[in-house]
Amino acid sequence: DAKTTQPTSMDCAEGRAANLPCNHSTISGNEYVYWYRQIHSQGPQYIIHGLKNNETNEMASLIITEDRKSSTLILPHATLRDTAVYYCIVRPDNAGNMLTFGGGTRLMVKP
Amino acid sequence: NAGVTQTPKFRVLKTGQSMTLLCAQDMNHEYMYWYRQDPGMGLRLIHYSVGEGTTAKGEVPDGYNVSRLKKQNFLLGLESAAPSQTSVYFCASGSGVTYEQYFGPGTRLTVT
Repeated sequence: DAKTTQPTSMDCAEGRAANLPCNHSTISGNEYVYWYRQIHSQGPQYIIHGLKNNETNEMASLIITEDRKSSTLILPHATLRDTAVYYCIVRPDNAGNMLTFGGGTRLMVKP
Repeated sequence: NAGVTQTPKFRVLKTGQSMTLLCAQDMNHEYMYWYRQDPGMGLRLIHYSVGEGTTAKGEVPDGYNVSRLKKQNFLLGLESAAPSQTSVYFCASGSGVTYEQYFGPGTRLTVT
């Protein structure tokens, strides 16, 4: 299974873009990158996922490097409500439909 | 459309007691999951189901049993609760086509 590495914590000023990096250097060719977030005491929330092309939805953008060894989740205009733990997950190839959540990045958006 | 709901929201058990946690989803999803989250940790998969009448073990299945008698419900049982099972339990559902999963609000369980 491809493992992911994320910074433990990050700060971002309200209204600015939040760029959350994820390293997944052992990702295999057919594995997707998924991003979830967990706001304090709530269940995780799906944000976005991608394979090799950059993706954008109403919540965020996902930029995946050409070699697919790393990716960046971008929240274009962070608000205080974006304060959460953000999980980068690579879909395990041989584990059915399980998601494996690691430690994630604790993003603190400050006024 | 309530999404994923969990019952109860909070529970305190004594060691050795049993209980069942109920998860219900109204999105007609085939796949359902039970995770646990210990303080300051990420989520760990306990059991999951890929359809009505099926169950499978996840990463940390010991001490738990599950049943999926109806497509919309997924039950998690603790036959003899232990303090090590003190945790927040999250249920999730998904179509199985992607890894987009929808989570419930969680059940906070304390075993004394």
